[in-house]
Amino acid sequence: QQQVKQSPQSLIVQKGGISIINCAYENTAFDYFPWYQQFPGKGPALLIAIRPDVSEKKEGRFTISFNKSAKQFSLHIMDSQPGDSATYFCAASVESNYQLIWGAGTKLIIKP
Amino acid sequence: ETGVTQTPRHLVMGMTNKKSLKCEQHLGHNAMYWYKQSAKKPLELMFVYSLEERVENNSVPSRFSPECPNSSHLFLHLHTLQPEDSALYLCASSHGTSNYGYTFGSGTRLTVV
Repeated sequence: QQQVKQSPQSLIVQKGGISIINCAYENTAFDYFPWYQQFPGKGPALLIAIRPDVSEKKEGRFTISFNKSAKQFSLHIMDSQPGDSATYFCAASVESNYQLIWGAGTKLIIKP
Repeated sequence: ETGVTQTPRHLVMGMTNKKSLKCEQHLGHNAMYWYKQSAKKPLELMFVYSLEERVENNSVPSRFSPECPNSSHLFLHLHTLQPEDSALYLCASSHGTSNYGYTFGSGTRLTVV
């Protein structure tokens, strides 16, 4: 009930391609869905987040797509660049609660 | 730097040692967190402090002991650790305990030998 399942575990994409990472959840009380980006030797940093009242949110090359009925959300990185190579974590929570439930992470490699 | 500073960056300790991890933030945040990050596992929330009071202790073994002397500093005291405690320990801070916009430090890579 409290899990967030993230896939794939690792992903290799050619430069200029679209990277897609998927997450699924069970708890329908979740109302906040952030994505974090982590580079080697650094802590995670908030990348983009969405609330379930919208189906899509875009910030530059990064887009979250949200499907409330399927209880799934995904991160799309358009025109992927080598600098996007990092580990990406999805998470979910009830916004007023400090308890973020994290996915296991996706290691993304963008090949030049 | 993100505004959350963790020291040391790397730590190797024996199972009988006592050591402390330090976290410092000057972002004006009033909630601070300790997370454990192990390879291929989700981030594990260990402790939450809000306004210097502990509000969460996620069934963490007593060999981990947190301390929050003020809203800018957070410590994790370690003693008699086990090899399976080897991991990256991350500190984070936020405004209140709403989970919007955590700021993480770069972590302490802990190896228990």
